[in-house]
Amino acid sequence: NAGVTQTPKFRVLKTGQSMTLLCAQDMNHEYMYWYRQDPGMGLRLIHYSVGEGTTAKGEVPDGYNVSRLKKQNFLLGLESAAPSQTSVYFCASTLARSDAQYFGPGTRLTVL
Amino acid sequence: AQSVTQLGSHVSVSEGALVLLRCNYSSSVPPYLFWYVQYPNQGLQLLLKYTSAATLVKGINGFEAEFKKSETSFHLTKPSAHMSDAAEYFCAVQYSSASKIIFGSGTRLSIRP
Repeated sequence: NAGVTQTPKFRVLKTGQSMTLLCAQDMNHEYMYWYRQDPGMGLRLIHYSVGEGTTAKGEVPDGYNVSRLKKQNFLLGLESAAPSQTSVYFCASTLARSDAQYFGPGTRLTVL
Repeated sequence: AQSVTQLGSHVSVSEGALVLLRCNYSSSVPPYLFWYVQYPNQGLQLLLKYTSAATLVKGINGFEAEFKKSETSFHLTKPSAHMSDAAEYFCAVQYSSASKIIFGSGTRLSIRP
């Protein structure tokens, strides 16, 4: 099993550009999450999904959109990137809500 | 508001010394508690999880944590630090099976030779 994978690993964008981050898991997990990690702030939840076709807002959803068309994939979109979205983005998944989360390796995004 | 606090953003210990990383949560209701470790340029990995079966929880790599309801704490310890323990450690809490997990701000552990 590959676990949780994220594509791409690194990306540099200019302000106003758009991009999509892909998260894939092969563990048949129901729940998937997108976090951003910034120095001194831990992980903050952007959006999450409790199953195929569902999405919900987390703590810091503004400027991001998500889709979960297939159970194994969870996409995070930035429609118009801003420098404040420079961060490391992590995807995670879990079988049940109170289970430990499995994390991907992260995507380092820089917005100039 | 429900929260989790990690005391000390950076802890430095000598190799072979005791490691103590502190975590306090904001409610007296026994929640689900986790410790995760993040090595440089990697995602988070689960160290251990408290689920009310026992107050002392043993995890991987020789780490353990003790749940103390009276102190609303879940501190992480390891008797003897190893150079490979250098990483960032996150405490996380979930107040019910239906609620979202809340992560602490992290503690960076450095090991001195």
